[in-house]
Amino acid sequence: EVQLLESGGGLVQPGGSLRLSCAASGFTFKNYIMTWVRQVPGKGLEWVSSIRGSGDTTYYAASVKGRFTISRDNAKNTLFFQMDNLRVEDTAIYFCARVVGATTGRFDYWGQGTLLAVSS
Amino acid sequence: SYVLTQPPSVSVAPGETARITCGGDAIETRSVHWYQQKPGQAPVLVIYYESDRPSGIPERYSGSNSGTTATLTISGVEAGDEADYYCQVLDVGGDPLYVFGSGTRVTVL
Repeated sequence: EVQLLESGGGLVQPGGSLRLSCAASGFTFKNYIMTWVRQVPGKGLEWVSSIRGSGDTTYYAASVKGRFTISRDNAKNTLFFQMDNLRVEDTAIYFCARVVGATTGRFDYWGQGTLLAVSS
Repeated sequence: SYVLTQPPSVSVAPGETARITCGGDAIETRSVHWYQQKPGQAPVLVIYYESDRPSGIPERYSGSNSGTTATLTISGVEAGDEADYYCQVLDVGGDPLYVFGSGTRVTVL
């Protein structure tokens, strides 16, 4: 059974940093693109970042580029999201998801999400 | 950037058919995926490649894609179908890379 479990959310002051983790199980982690999607409570879904299976290629939304870093440890089946210089507008639930289809890209499994609150 | 447009809300009586649209330039040339999200839960993939269903998704869920509009259809709507629904595509070379529609709240009357 595929499982994705996020952790690391919390309350951070503006300008602060936080690292999210997503522990994966039930599939061959290194074979899949992984992604982070966020959702401001009560609002829609926003893709923020993805990383290829080997970890050598990363993608970012303009809203987080230069501040956030996606990475992965395939030996530990874990996805990471280092978030620096946090802003109030980064407050959201962050979901990790598995991507299927390199050219069509659907998110077939999602974690339950972890909440990041950026506030002074 | 590529934009997907969804109606904010759709209301439907139990047993009737709900149709949720997703508009985008030449969307028929793209693979469209649909997600269901209930309050407090993670999204769930319900339709991919316009009309394929993951295992466990009822046959009542179907999809189509033509011209500038993709459509998610829920036949014989049940109370448990009440949720937010999002369409999504991959925009290779675009920013953002993966695009979501704004979401449609389906209310079962």
